[in-house]
Amino acid sequence: DAGVIQSPRHEVTEMGQEVTLRCKPISGHNSLFWYRQTMMRGLELLIYFNNNVPIDDSGMPEDRFSAKMPNASFSTLKIQPSEPRDSAVYFCASILKQGSPLHFGNGTRLTVT
Amino acid sequence: GEDVEQSLFLSVREGDSSVINCTYTDSSSTYLYWYKQEPGAGLQLLTYIFSNMDMKQDQRLTVLLNKKDKHLSLRIADTQTGDSAIYFCAERASSASKIIFGSGTRLSIRP
Repeated sequence: DAGVIQSPRHEVTEMGQEVTLRCKPISGHNSLFWYRQTMMRGLELLIYFNNNVPIDDSGMPEDRFSAKMPNASFSTLKIQPSEPRDSAVYFCASILKQGSPLHFGNGTRLTVT
Repeated sequence: GEDVEQSLFLSVREGDSSVINCTYTDSSSTYLYWYKQEPGAGLQLLTYIFSNMDMKQDQRLTVLLNKKDKHLSLRIADTQTGDSAIYFCAERASSASKIIFGSGTRLSIRP
């Protein structure tokens, strides 16, 4: 089992640029979550999908953020345009079914200068 | 709404027991979790407990749940330097799939 795979591990970009973070959930898991972790705000749920359908995106900070899950094995989180306050570690996680615990990827550390 | 609270720091002498506490607000929570995060890594599930249980033990780890007070604790026996990490308490809201995390408790071990 390869676990949840995120790419890139690190991303450094300039303010105003588009950033795309990628996630491959564990095969067979039917729910996928995007979290953001900062020192100030801790771990925040941004959005989650069940069977590739977005269920709750109330945590997405603003319209600059968007997420897609075109199929069961791939999801993206896009920030356009990026701002310095978006700097954080972004985690993707998946679960097998409702009630199962979350399995996290190793995260993408985003720095926007 | 749902909220999970933890103290931010805990310092323990090597070999002693560590007790990390957590309180939550959603009385209908069905699952409560403890995750461990080491530097530069994602969160790793340590253990979890169903809300109809009051204790779960797994080797050096003991989880205690007081549903009446909405209080969860994680006890690590014989704390080792490898236990240094941030420990997150989390609850699953009963009405949805989403899991709400506390702010994490940073456990440091002193010799």
